[in-house]
Formats: sequence, C-alpha cells, structure tokens
Amino acid sequence: DAGVIQSPRHEVTEMGQEVTLRCKPISGHNSLFWYRQTMMRGLELLIYFNNNVPIDDSGMPEDRFSAKMPNASFSTLKIQPSEPRDSAVYFCASSLRSGDLHYGYTFGSGTRLTVV
Amino acid sequence: SQQGEEDPQALSIQEGENATMNCSYKTSINNLQWYRQNSGRGLVHLILIRSNEREKHSGRLRVTLDTSKKSSSLLITASRAADTASYFCATDPYNQGGKLIFGQGTELSVKP
Repeated sequence: DAGVIQSPRHEVTEMGQEVTLRCKPISGHNSLFWYRQTMMRGLELLIYFNNNVPIDDSGMPEDRFSAKMPNASFSTLKIQPSEPRDSAVYFCASSLRSGDLHYGYTFGSGTRLTVV
Repeated sequence: SQQGEEDPQALSIQEGENATMNCSYKTSINNLQWYRQNSGRGLVHLILIRSNEREKHSGRLRVTLDTSKKSSSLLITASRAADTASYFCATDPYNQGGKLIFGQGTELSVKP
C-alpha cells in the first residue's frame, strides 16, 4: 500500500482565494482525520470521519473551513476564503476503527500551505 | 489545553546515550501512542500502549504507562544521530470517538 496520499505537497495562494487540500486514505481504513500543525499551536485535530460520516468537527476553526468525504477513498479540506493565519502544514491520517480502538494509524506527508 | 504534555521540550545527548521523554495527560484514555517527526516530514507511528498495559518494547524503544499518575515515558536506548527528530505523545481519550490528542512534542538532538 502506498500509505496515506495527500496533494498537493505545497500550496502558495493569495489571501482571499479558495484552497482545496486532498487526501486518499489507506484502502480498508474506515476512519480519517485532518490535522493542522503550526509552531504556535502544535498539532490540532480539525475534523474526524468514521465510515465517511463526520463524527467530530469541533476543531474546525471557523466557517471558512469545510471538509467532505464523499467516499471511502477520498476526502477534501477546503478553506474559503483563505487568510494568512491559515498558513500551516495540514496532515491527513487514516486508521481502522474497531469499537473504541484504532489500528494502523497512519499519517500522510502533509500539505504545506502558505497564504500571502 | 493539550491533553498530552511532553517533558522536556528539548533534549540534547551524545550518540550511544539513552534518551528519556515523558508525557502527562489529563483524562482517562483507551491508549497512548508515540510518534516521531523528522524536520519537514510527516509523523511516523512508533508504538502504541493500551490502558491496561504497563510496559511495551519495540527494538530500542521502551514505553511505560502509569494510568494512576496519568503519565508515560519513552526511552530510546543506545541513541543514534538518525534518532534526531521531534517526538510526540498522543492520547486516545476514553469515550471521545477515537480522536488522537497530541502534545507539543520533545525535540531530540543526538550528536555524533
């Protein structure tokens, strides 16, 4: 398996533009997580899906952020409009959930977003 | 506030020495995990210890968990320069649907 695949690896955009980050989880995994990492705030969980359904989006910073998981093999995180403070590395992770336990928790390589 | 808090924030040792990092957390957990992140890269899962386990080994890694003190430690024995990275503990809090909460990490530097 190629692991969790994120695209793009790097994104530079102007303030006010729409940004879409993409994630392909590991085949067979049923849980997907979006995290954001900054120096100031560390790693923050933004949203978590189980079986393609959003379970917890309490970490989504504001209405400018939205995430979808239309099927088991694809998820997007959209920021519209983007602001300079959104600059961060965004990670996607997937796992196989069984009850309260998660197996094979795997992170993608991340998307480094710079909003100028 | 962060569920997991690592200590120390930074650690610098010589190759061959052991490195110990500690993690404290606040609520009951299903399990606790340790991850490594090399500069500019993604996170790599190192080891998972369940709440009913007290110690676990994987190669040069030894993890302990004390649920009464809500703390864990990661020991890397016979460290190598290639172990230089940031190390994060992450807790899977009980009854929170499986989300992982990360600490701020310990930056380990192993000098050759």
